[in-house]
Amino acid sequence: KNEVEQSPQNLTAQEGEFITINCSYSVGISALHWLQQHPGGGIVSLFMLSSGKKKHGRLIATINIQEKHSSLHITASHPRDSAVYICAVRLGDQLTFGSGTQLTVLP
Amino acid sequence: DAGVIQSPRHEVTEMGQEVTLRCKPISGHNSLFWYRQTMMRGLELLIYFNNNVPIDDSGMPEDRFSAKMPNASFSTLKIQPSEPRDSAVYFCASSPSTSGTSQYFGPGTRLTVL
Repeated sequence: KNEVEQSPQNLTAQEGEFITINCSYSVGISALHWLQQHPGGGIVSLFMLSSGKKKHGRLIATINIQEKHSSLHITASHPRDSAVYICAVRLGDQLTFGSGTQLTVLP
Repeated sequence: DAGVIQSPRHEVTEMGQEVTLRCKPISGHNSLFWYRQTMMRGLELLIYFNNNVPIDDSGMPEDRFSAKMPNASFSTLKIQPSEPRDSAVYFCASSPSTSGTSQYFGPGTRLTVL
């Protein structure tokens, strides 16, 4: 079973700051997902990546397969980015989830 | 597209009662996943289907839990009898295939077993 570690568990930032959330896993994977869970509970898939880097708006996700590590970056953070960010790794058909990072962006 | 639809959104029941959670995946998606989220354990995969066939139910906690997918547009997760420790948010997700694509999550069903 893959162990997925996220850091930090909680993060508070001021509006405009650059945010980095980290995810490490223990076993080789076929893909890694970054999910966003809103305060109301809904879950949105942000990225799925298996190598390199992806960018969508102010969000950037990177993955280093050799180091078994991924980062999610948020540039020019905004209070509406406040949510729980969850890393999930795929091996075969299974997803294993990290415990999530609670991000709060203050105005 | 309406996205993944789950019902009910909230369910409160008493211990020992049967609970049925429902999910309608996105049309055209042929993989469906049931997850449970608790404060203690986070998100866990319970079971997933591909083309209506259960592929892996190793995450189903006990025989009290069962899931069916009678057709491509409907799935149920049943708990009988329910227990207080089953209280959680249950998410259904669908994807165009089991691997290589993103999963689309429903809004979840918040279950409280008293």
